[in-house]
Amino acid sequence: SYELTQPPSVSVSPGQTARITCSGDALPKQYAYWYQQKPGQAPVVVMYKDTERPSGIPERFSGSSSGTTVTLTISGAQAEDEADYYCQSADSSVVFGGGTKLTVL
Amino acid sequence: QLQLQESGPGLVKPSETLSLTCTVSGGSISSSTYYWGWIRQPPGKGLEWIESINYSGSTYYNPSLKSRVTISVDTSKSQFSLRLSSVTAADTAVYFCARHLISATVKYFDYWGQGALVTVSS
Repeated sequence: SYELTQPPSVSVSPGQTARITCSGDALPKQYAYWYQQKPGQAPVVVMYKDTERPSGIPERFSGSSSGTTVTLTISGAQAEDEADYYCQSADSSVVFGGGTKLTVL
Repeated sequence: QLQLQESGPGLVKPSETLSLTCTVSGGSISSSTYYWGWIRQPPGKGLEWIESINYSGSTYYNPSLKSRVTISVDTSKSQFSLRLSSVTAADTAVYFCARHLISATVKYFDYWGQGALVTVSS
């Protein structure tokens, strides 16, 4: 199994662009997925297959991939985007990153 | 709209077996496209995948937990279940069940239950 590494925290002011990274050796070969989790709630997928946004997820959420790093970008972050974000990938096993707490203030 | 709901005891004694059931409604548990998985989250910590199963009983498992985990499916009741043996305080967590989309290129969880807190304590 392998690891996915995320920064523990990211802070932005409302309206700014938030970028959350996820690094792992298998990412050039496997897709990454991103989940948003608010306190006391189940995770919700906000990005799949590196760059695909599920229906119902605001357009300000986007994803990108370069080598061993994938990035979730929130353009014009809003207070409601404050949450924990987890990346996930899978080969023979499912792996989650350690999570990033996004603060919007 | 697909819904998943976890159920089971919220308190388990050390060395005993944790048992949880997930009931699926609003969709078929027998679809060949999907597996059905368990993920846990210790208080204040990150997500850990446990294991996933499909309608025919094929499983996709986390090697680090496999020796203690038994997962099963009952399509007649639209349920799948988790048993985790020899629990310790480290197994205290919110346990989520989720639909696990698995294909040749895609592997992620698209619908989640609300989660069930299980505390291991005497």
